[in-house]
Amino acid sequence: DIQMTQSPSTLSASVGDRVTITCRASQSISSWLAWYQQKPGKAPKLLIYKASSLESGVPSRFSGSGSGTEFTLTISSLQPDDFATYYCQQYHNYWTFGQGTRVEIK
Amino acid sequence: EVQLLESGGGLVQPGGSLRLSCAASGFTFSSYAMSWVRQAPGKGLDWVSGISGSGDTTHYAESVKGRFTISRDNSKNSLYLQMNSLGAEDTAVYYCAKLRNRGLIPGYFDYWGQGTLVTVSS
Repeated sequence: DIQMTQSPSTLSASVGDRVTITCRASQSISSWLAWYQQKPGKAPKLLIYKASSLESGVPSRFSGSGSGTEFTLTISSLQPDDFATYYCQQYHNYWTFGQGTRVEIK
Repeated sequence: EVQLLESGGGLVQPGGSLRLSCAASGFTFSSYAMSWVRQAPGKGLDWVSGISGSGDTTHYAESVKGRFTISRDNSKNSLYLQMNSLGAEDTAVYYCAKLRNRGLIPGYFDYWGQGTLVTVSS
């Protein structure tokens, strides 16, 4: 099974900050990686697929990069609506999620 | 507009069974693979099972293999999850999710339902 490890687990930031979340796969997954945002009590929402493709309707301040085993999600200027938990997911070999990164208000 | 509406959750005793349903609308259901993903209280996302658009290919997480069965009825635009031999570790919100393609892999989840809570407790 492919394991996904996100860091950090929690991130404290302020509105306007540039935020980066890292996701590492236990083996190469090419670019088969997605990022999701989840708010408390709500379903996850797709942000990024194929490592760097922005889902339609998602603000351009979100971007993804990486390939192989190391990936990043960047929020260029954190907005109040962005405080949430973010998950990476590999879909190279079925599906595995990272443990999540909670972005909280500093 | 894509809509996924789960139902069937509730309180069940250890060792019991439950059948979850997901009613889909807003897209050609048979053209897309579907999946179930769960989330234990306060925990992260945990993939459970997936099924191809035609229903002829299924896959399960090791933790549920032999206990859970995924199925779909394309004539009713519905996805199901039959859960047997339930244990406390199966307590979670269960989400129905649509994949962006007909096959299972490589595929990511582009729409999610709001979830249904399953509580396994005596």
